[in-house]
Amino acid sequence: GENVEQHPSTLSVQEGDSAVIKCTYSDSASNYFPWYKQELGKGPQLIIDIRSNVGEKKDQRIAVTLNKTAKHFSLHITETQPEDSAVYFCAAPYGGSYIPTFGRGTSLIVHP
Amino acid sequence: NAGVTQTPKFQVLKTGQSMTLQCAQDMNHNSMYWYRQDPGMGLRLIYYSASEGTTDKGEVPNGYNVSRLNKREFSLRLESAAPSQTSVYFCASSEAGGQEKLFFGSGTQLSVL
Repeated sequence: GENVEQHPSTLSVQEGDSAVIKCTYSDSASNYFPWYKQELGKGPQLIIDIRSNVGEKKDQRIAVTLNKTAKHFSLHITETQPEDSAVYFCAAPYGGSYIPTFGRGTSLIVHP
Repeated sequence: NAGVTQTPKFQVLKTGQSMTLQCAQDMNHNSMYWYRQDPGMGLRLIYYSASEGTTDKGEVPNGYNVSRLNKREFSLRLESAAPSQTSVYFCASSEAGGQEKLFFGSGTQLSVL
């Protein structure tokens, strides 16, 4: 939705390269920032998330960084592999009810 | 360990027909959501239920109704389907609201002719 902007819409990399996807959000009260991976024909699945009390979180080859002042957060994938090819969505809770609002998605293509 | 189950997986309707998409979760979650996914538009919230007995409109509620039947089940109804409602529909649940991880079903691909 318009409360969360995600870039780029498409990202093409060679196997072994790094990939970075960025999101900005509008609600300064947001304090939970998840990333979801959607493989073809399936529902999105959470791959990593971060809360506003930390600036970075890592899980093997993936990491998320958060800049609350600038209201943006990023997904970093290192040593990309063909199985990383998917659509990735960021999300942030919006409004007093903390409604989960998603970015428009990034189609990541990893070429062998 | 089923998680979130959606039925049907595929459906073709004619303009003006009605149907109900079913969703059930077995994780004892309080909050449930219906999203639609269209190319280039990401996931847009149709309706949500923060807890059993409550429902609220999301970003794109027109043409839809919902029922939170009990804590497990949250259904989405199209009263008079239109071609603009051709989309992939996802149901999701979370333990308590939008500041928690969402668990998604596998989706319903709906075509309205």
